[in-house]
Parts: sequence; C-alpha cells; structure tokens
Amino acid sequence: GQQLNQSPQSMFIQEGEDVSMNCTSSSIFNTWLWYKQDPGEGPVLLIALYKAGELTSNGRLTAQFGITRKDSFLNISASIPSDVGIYFCAGQLMDMEYGNKLVFGAGTILRVKS
Amino acid sequence: NAGVTQTPKFQVLKTGQSMTLQCAQDMNHEYMSWYRQDPGMGLRLIHYSVGAGITDQGEVPNGYNVSRSTTEDFPLRLLSAAPSQTSVYFCASSYTTGGIGELFFGEGSRLTVL
Repeated sequence: GQQLNQSPQSMFIQEGEDVSMNCTSSSIFNTWLWYKQDPGEGPVLLIALYKAGELTSNGRLTAQFGITRKDSFLNISASIPSDVGIYFCAGQLMDMEYGNKLVFGAGTILRVKS
Repeated sequence: NAGVTQTPKFQVLKTGQSMTLQCAQDMNHEYMSWYRQDPGMGLRLIHYSVGAGITDQGEVPNGYNVSRSTTEDFPLRLLSAAPSQTSVYFCASSYTTGGIGELFFGEGSRLTVL
C-alpha cells in the first residue's frame, strides 16, 4: 500500500533556530497536508497544499508541494518553545479500491534542547 | 463551538470486555473517521463514514465496529478488548467537498486493555 516516509523521526531545537522536515513517497498524491499535535491533544491542521510546486506560508511556517507530487517539506523559521510537539505529514490520493484516501507519516517529534 | 467531542478521555478495560467510544461533531461534516495512534506508527485509519448510513473499513478494522445513524455521531465499538488495542484513539471529521484531508480531530481517548 501507499506509505509516507517522514524524516527526521525526532529533532531537538534551540530557540531561534530554523527547522526543516520532509515527507517522501513512491506514490503520487493530489493533496499534501501538515498537522501539529500538542501533548494530550488531537492533531491540528497547519497547512494544506493542493497543487504541485505550490509554496504556502502560515506565519513562521512554510510548506511546499513537491513538483513530482511525491514529496513535501515543512520549514519553521525562528523556532520558539511552543513549537515543540509532533508534526505529521499526510498525503491524499484517489485509490482505486477506497476512493479518496489519506495516508499519514509516522511523525516528527520536536523537542527543546536543554 | 464544540467541534469534535470524544468521550471518555481515559478508559481501562480487562481483556474480553466490550465498550463504546463516543464521537460527536457539530460542524455538519459529512465525513467522519476513527484513527488509532501508536508510538512510531503515525495515525492508522480504523473505520470511516462518508455520510449517515454509510460506513466502510479502513486500514486496521479488525476488532472494531462502527455505525452512523446521524450526521453528528460516529461511535466506535470494541467487541472483545485485547491488549493489542491499547492505544490512543482519535475521531476526526471533515467536509467531503474537495477531499477529506482537512480533518478536524477530537482530543483523543486513551484506552488501556489489561
């Protein structure tokens, strides 16, 4: 089945640093989404991308829909302590058997460097 | 706005017991779904529904049942709990127009099966 490879699995951030994470797949997706999960809560949508090559920003967050439609990245600029959490990528495609299908990456855990 | 409401937030079961996780949304969303979250595995789809009276299986449906008698409610039933069902469960909903990807998640239900 379709799988998303999300990397890195985890990373430590120091306040003020820029952060980058990405998702890749062998499958082609028609939508890419990025979610953030705070401890003890459900994921919240950060950014949705609908066109290959699209670059979208949401405050300090920037995400891109890869031109091959098989990858996406998320950048966080000038990180702050409240950026810690788990970031999930998700890709949506049209599956012959299931119709619209959403596939999630395993997540990138952002922690604060002490 | 309540959004997506899940109950209970925490539950401990013994092997073989049955229970129902409740999910309600007040956004008039057509699409509702249940995911389970396990460490390092991202979010895996259990069951989903594209409207009242319509349900279908996701990636990991075994041991779970769902029904969708109203637009608002989408309960998840564990028929005979097993330790492998220890997990955090999330209900999520979205409009189906334009795809299912922009999901709104509940806060999660943490289930432990002894």
